[in-house]
Amino acid sequence: SYELTQPPSVSVSPGQTARITCSGDALPKKYAYWYQLKSGQAPLLVIYEDNKRPSGIPERFSGSSSGTMATLTISGAQVEDEADYYCYSTDSSGNQGVFGTGTKVTVL
Amino acid sequence: QVQLVQSGAEVKKPGASVKVSCKTSGYTFTNYALHWVRQAPGQRLEWMGWINAGNGNTKCSQKFQARVTITRDTSASAAYMELSSLRSDDTAVYYCARQFDTAKSYYLDYWGQGTLVTVSS
Repeated sequence: SYELTQPPSVSVSPGQTARITCSGDALPKKYAYWYQLKSGQAPLLVIYEDNKRPSGIPERFSGSSSGTMATLTISGAQVEDEADYYCYSTDSSGNQGVFGTGTKVTVL
Repeated sequence: QVQLVQSGAEVKKPGASVKVSCKTSGYTFTNYALHWVRQAPGQRLEWMGWINAGNGNTKCSQKFQARVTITRDTSASAAYMELSSLRSDDTAVYYCARQFDTAKSYYLDYWGQGTLVTVSS
């Protein structure tokens, strides 16, 4: 089955830049989406279609995609950005949704 | 305002089935697909499947295809996810989420609060 691979963890100091990668063979043809997941809360969409930011999401969140890798960047990370982040996409057929392996972002 | 309200926590024995409901409000139910996603303790989010609320067509993850049934009741503006032959590793929080279609693709914009299903003998 199709897999999206992320690093298990990323640590940054407040104000620094965090970059989270997501690797998948179908990403050259399929969009990547990024969700933030905090304990006890439902997932929150922070980036869609590789690089678009939903309304209400701070500008420090940005996304990019090149080849088989998508990247979520948090520029000037804040303590409140500590969370698990998951990329999401579909397989090449578009019929099967897939979440990445998840990345725990620590800001301290 | 858009709301997705899920049914309450369940405790089931191995081999049993569970049916989780997702009641929606604040939008035209048949205009949006609904997805089901779960997260087991300490594990990643897992996409389970989705239903076209308009025509009832479904697509399920190959992992769950043999055990999951996704349905909807348009009169109740609700979707349901039934998982059968439960095992201990099906213990998880189950979410429903609405699909928002863009010109190019889609994303999951509104989510239910999650339903904890515990499978234990």
